[in-house]
Amino acid sequence: NAGVTQTPKFQVLKTGQSMTLQCAQDMNHEYMSWYRQDPGMGLRLIHYSVGAGITDQGEVPNGYNVSRSTTEDFPLRLLSAAPSQTSVYFCASSSGTGEDNQPQHFGDGTRLSIL
Amino acid sequence: DQQVKQNSPSLSVQEGRISILNCDYTNSMFDYFLWYKKYPAEGPTFLISISSIKDKNEDGRFTVFLNKSAKHLSLHIVPSQPGDSAVYFCAASPRGSNYKLTFGKGTLLTVNP
Repeated sequence: NAGVTQTPKFQVLKTGQSMTLQCAQDMNHEYMSWYRQDPGMGLRLIHYSVGAGITDQGEVPNGYNVSRSTTEDFPLRLLSAAPSQTSVYFCASSSGTGEDNQPQHFGDGTRLSIL
Repeated sequence: DQQVKQNSPSLSVQEGRISILNCDYTNSMFDYFLWYKKYPAEGPTFLISISSIKDKNEDGRFTVFLNKSAKHLSLHIVPSQPGDSAVYFCAASPRGSNYKLTFGKGTLLTVNP
């Protein structure tokens, strides 16, 4: 059982380049989220999705786009990379909210450096 | 404005003793609280959670306590083991939104043999 899989694990970009961080889950989870973690900080929510075709912004959405065409995949796109986007990016998925709250499960992250 | 605060950046305990990690929150809409453990170069791993209708939840060596009036929760690890050495994050979400977690900055726990 792979859980949440993120690719690539490491990436170096130049300012202005674009790229897509991939996230896939095999648990048939309805909910998926992207977070970033900067040194000495907790994780901060970038975007989230409550199902295929439905996405919304989190706390720090600027400079990022998302889409959710399938239940399994939730890619994060950087349209024009900036040094301030150097960070570790985590994707997470979960099922069950409300009375049956279930925890989010995280991938191992993508470490992104922008020069 | 930090809505979830972990005021101790680090904590060191002896093997076999109790570890107590603390977390405070300010948002009254938070309904679901979690603790995650994180090793370097890995993603956060879920440890234990508690909903606002409870004040205690136990899972083996781990117990989480919630004091809603004080907006405070704590994680107790008994007995502590060297393998527990990691960064521990407190997180919270509003009712019905477990996909919108707000995290604290984390506490580095070191358990000395």
